[in-house]
Amino acid sequence: DTGVSQDPRHKITKRGQNVTFRCDPISEHNRLYWYRQTLGQGPEFLTYFQNEAQLEKSRLLSDRFSAERPKGSFSTLEIQRTEQGDSAMYLCATRRISAEAFFGQGTRLTVV
Amino acid sequence: DQQVKQNSPSLSVQEGRISILNCDYTNSMFDYFLWYKKYPAEGPTFLISISSIKDKNEDGRFTVFLNKSAKHLSLHIVPSQPGDSAVYFCAASARGETSYDKVIFGPGTSLSVIP
Repeated sequence: DTGVSQDPRHKITKRGQNVTFRCDPISEHNRLYWYRQTLGQGPEFLTYFQNEAQLEKSRLLSDRFSAERPKGSFSTLEIQRTEQGDSAMYLCATRRISAEAFFGQGTRLTVV
Repeated sequence: DQQVKQNSPSLSVQEGRISILNCDYTNSMFDYFLWYKKYPAEGPTFLISISSIKDKNEDGRFTVFLNKSAKHLSLHIVPSQPGDSAVYFCAASARGETSYDKVIFGPGTSLSVIP
């Protein structure tokens, strides 16, 4: 148990619907990352927060994706107007500065 | 542009023998390297790390070697056990208050340890 919690674990949605995922970090970790992983690939960086500030967004993150971390605690990742290509495992990781990142178990998204 | 490369998608090793997983990186800003292990349907689990000021770090059966001049690192598992069968990801970051503080992952190597 790494202490990083993601909800839901699985999500099946119809194309065009909006979905929102939640990540609850380890409490003393000020950095929070979202990654996406598809079959046969390593986790691909999407965005990260230091406390409540979103410091960087990957160009993989289209306008349909938005992430927030209000109050520097939990984070949400929303995908609007989902497409089949959005089907993937969405991973959240948190860390202290200069330390290893701990991952949650991920949210498996399937867009049908 | 893949900044962290793992050129072997898969590796099979006999139980009890050594497993060597390799990783190359291109970004000279990276100064902290990590290995993660991942089972199906789970998130990656941290295994071992090494700072660029070292060339070796050991933790039980796991040893990571870093060759900065070659921009190469490797993970050695001795002796290999069937429970080590998983996908192993190499990852790198540049620590500190820079835009490189994100952790970049390689594509992974699937290790199978044969009993």
